[in-house]
Amino acid sequence: DSGVTQTPKHLITATGQRVTLRCSPRSGDLSVYWYQQSLDQGLQFLIQYYNGEERAKGNILERFSAQQFPDLHSELNLSSLELGDSALYFCASSATIQETQYFGPGTRLLVL
Amino acid sequence: LAKTTQPISMDSYEGQEVNITCSHNNIATNDYITWYQQFPSQGPRFIIQGYKTKVTNEVASLFIPADRKSSTLSLPRVSLSDTAVYYCLVGSYASGGSYIPTFGRGTSLIVHP
Repeated sequence: DSGVTQTPKHLITATGQRVTLRCSPRSGDLSVYWYQQSLDQGLQFLIQYYNGEERAKGNILERFSAQQFPDLHSELNLSSLELGDSALYFCASSATIQETQYFGPGTRLLVL
Repeated sequence: LAKTTQPISMDSYEGQEVNITCSHNNIATNDYITWYQQFPSQGPRFIIQGYKTKVTNEVASLFIPADRKSSTLSLPRVSLSDTAVYYCLVGSYASGGSYIPTFGRGTSLIVHP
């Protein structure tokens, strides 16, 4: 158990809908990362927050957004969902930027 | 940004040593190289991390040459439970100065009896 929690574990929704994925980092970690893992793309970095502020953006679509709250938990919002958004979404946390990342169990999103 | 290259798959047998190499250019000069293990439908699990030369822990060794353009994960005496996908992770800095982590595409290791 890495100490990173993610909810929900599974999510099934329809095209055009909006969902919110939640992540709670390890105790004491200030940095949160979001990744998307689909069958043909491997682990793709989406976005990183540090102590409530956005610090880095990767291959994140404009339909996706995220935030980190004062209690350091983070949410990833996915809107106008398409079939191709079906994937595993992982959250990772680290003490600070560039420290070792520890991953949560992931949320499996299926868009029908 | 950093680019990483790993073999797509490898096969081994129980009790053998397995070496998986990741090539990575444009790695940030102050960044560590990290390796993860992932089982199906689970999150990546931290294995080992290093900056240069050799690092060893209870499950693996990591060899990093002086130019840091590659790294080799060594798994001694693998067992069936080591069948998994192994990823290297490195970071680099984007033009705006933000730190971007980049995973390799992963190496699927299958250990045979």
